[in-house]
Formats: sequence, structure tokens, C-alpha cells
Amino acid sequence: GAVVSQHPSRVICKSGTSVKIECRSLDFQATTMFWYRQFPKQSLMLMATSNEGSKATYEQGVEKDKFLINHASLTLSTLTVTSAHPEDSSFYICSARDALRGTGELFFGEGSRLTVL
Amino acid sequence: ELKVEQNPLFLSMQEGKNYTIYCNYSTTSDRLYWYRQDPGKSLESLFVLLSNGAVKQEGRLMASLDTKARLSTLHITAAVHDLSATYFCAVEIVGGAQKLVFGQGTRLTINP
Repeated sequence: GAVVSQHPSRVICKSGTSVKIECRSLDFQATTMFWYRQFPKQSLMLMATSNEGSKATYEQGVEKDKFLINHASLTLSTLTVTSAHPEDSSFYICSARDALRGTGELFFGEGSRLTVL
Repeated sequence: ELKVEQNPLFLSMQEGKNYTIYCNYSTTSDRLYWYRQDPGKSLESLFVLLSNGAVKQEGRLMASLDTKARLSTLHITAAVHDLSATYFCAVEIVGGAQKLVFGQGTRLTINP
């Protein structure tokens, strides 16, 4: 089946540094990818929609200058958390849809757990 | 604004029992998804429900969709310990560029 891969799966960084998370669709092309954030024991909240070749669309309340999204190819989207702070510690999950599949099922990456010290 | 509510949020049950998780949503939608999440892991897709009256079954889990009532159910039959996890329903926003809105999640614990 279709696979979405994230890297790194875990990252620990110091406050004030920037962290980049990659999301790749391994066996399909994705013009759109989605970035979610999940705090402990909570649900997933959509942060932004990553669009290949154009600017990302951010949800209300998400700072676009803090969470930089780049979708440079049909198989790769990156999320950069700039000047990370402890409150940015969370589980970040990306998803993508294979538009050529009939059901249009969404596939989720394995997630990236960010801990900011 | 689309709201998705699950009920119950916490469920502790014994092996062998049956139970149902409910997912209500507030506006019209094309698709409804059910996912399973184990601690520390990402989401595992369980079901995609595409039309009114859709029913899908996989093992001890069965999901259904009533678009008129804006309600989906996830039914667990003869629960086993391995089904302990958090279950999320998610609803796709109509005309919303494939965005999903998730329910709060139901944390299911099945005791031997």
C-alpha cells in the first residue's frame, strides 16, 4: 500500500534553535500534503496544507513565520519549526493522498516527536 | 465550522463484551474516517466511509455511516485485549481541499 515516511521520528533540541521535519510520499505523487500537531492525550489539529509549487495554507492561529512549510517536489514536504520553544514540543504528523487511487484514502506518516528543552 | 464529537471519550471494558463508539458531526460531509492510534505511534487507517448507509467490517470492528443523522458508529464485538488503543473518527470538509477535522478520540482499555 501507499506509504508516507517522516524523518526524523524523534528530535530533541535546545530552545531557540530551528528544526526541520521531512514528509515523503514513497510510492505516489502528492500535490497536497497536510501537517497536523498532536499534544499529549489530545486529538490531532490541522496546522497547514502544503501545496506543491505554491505557498502553504495555514489554519487560523498558526504562525506561518514560525512554522515554515516548503513543498518543493511532488513527493516531499518539509516543516521547519523556527526558534523553537518548549511549548512547541509536540507530535507532528503529516498526511498525503494518492489522487490516482479510487478511494482517495489519506495516508499518515509515522510522526515526528519534537522535544524542546 | 465543522465540529466532530466522539462519545464516550474513555471506555474501559472486559474482554468478550460488545460496545459502540459514536461520532457525531455538525455539517454535511463527503467522507468519514476511523483511525486507531497506539501510544507513541501515528494513525492506522481502519475504515473509510463514503456514502449514506455504508457499513464496513474488519475482524471484530464494524463501522457504519448515517449521513442524514450525521452519525457514524464503530462497533466492537467480543473485545480482546489487543484492541486497546485510542480511536479517532475524522470528517472531511466538503469543498475544503481534503482537510480533516478529528474527533477528540476515544481511549479504549480492554481488561482481561
